[in-house]
Amino acid sequence: ETGVTQTPRHLVMGMTNKKSLKCEQHLGHNAMYWYKQSAKKPLELMFVYNFKEQTENNSVPSRFSPECPNSSHLFLHLHTLQPEDSALYLCASSPRIAGYEQYFGPGTRLTVT
Amino acid sequence: AQTVTQSQPEMSVQEAETVTLSCTYDTSESDYYLFWYKQPPSRQMILVIRQEAYKQQNATENRFSVNFQKAAKSFSLKISDSQLGDAAMYFCAYPAGGTSYGKLTFGQGTILTVHP
Repeated sequence: ETGVTQTPRHLVMGMTNKKSLKCEQHLGHNAMYWYKQSAKKPLELMFVYNFKEQTENNSVPSRFSPECPNSSHLFLHLHTLQPEDSALYLCASSPRIAGYEQYFGPGTRLTVT
Repeated sequence: AQTVTQSQPEMSVQEAETVTLSCTYDTSESDYYLFWYKQPPSRQMILVIRQEAYKQQNATENRFSVNFQKAAKSFSLKISDSQLGDAAMYFCAYPAGGTSYGKLTFGQGTILTVHP
């Protein structure tokens, strides 16, 4: 595998379910990010991790819980989501957080029913 | 607050022709980077080109080039010899905090249609 991978690619879950999104980067980067992309809205940054430490939580509701066990892996744990949380969730990585371009995974299309 | 504005929700171009996508941004930083990303129907965000603000020379990457006007805070993307595979949503992005922080702020995007 090369670049940034995300699993699953599609996820349908009920509002009472608990699920996790996984992101893995094979680029040797030290910073990882979660973004949310909703229809007709710009990409929204959710979380930033730098060397496994969270450096940004962009006022994300607590029903989204990130986890970064090492610099290569990033998870987004989901529980008691709302239908408005349906969106494309994109993971990205960069060598460091200081102004470098970010490389994106293919995204997970999440539908909350 | 730093903002990025793409004023063209949709653009179209004939195959082999040239098209320019506009982007303006607001910042108080003097040293920063700017990016253009492409998101085709597959939804994978792909970096197209990067511009460093301290460089006078406009960045070029094959058929893609930018017109960077620092004083005007303008960062347009020119696609020459357009190809069908260029059809996608294009996003301009700016890392808030200049070179010291990786929080990318994206514009609203421009949908580019390429006609054969």
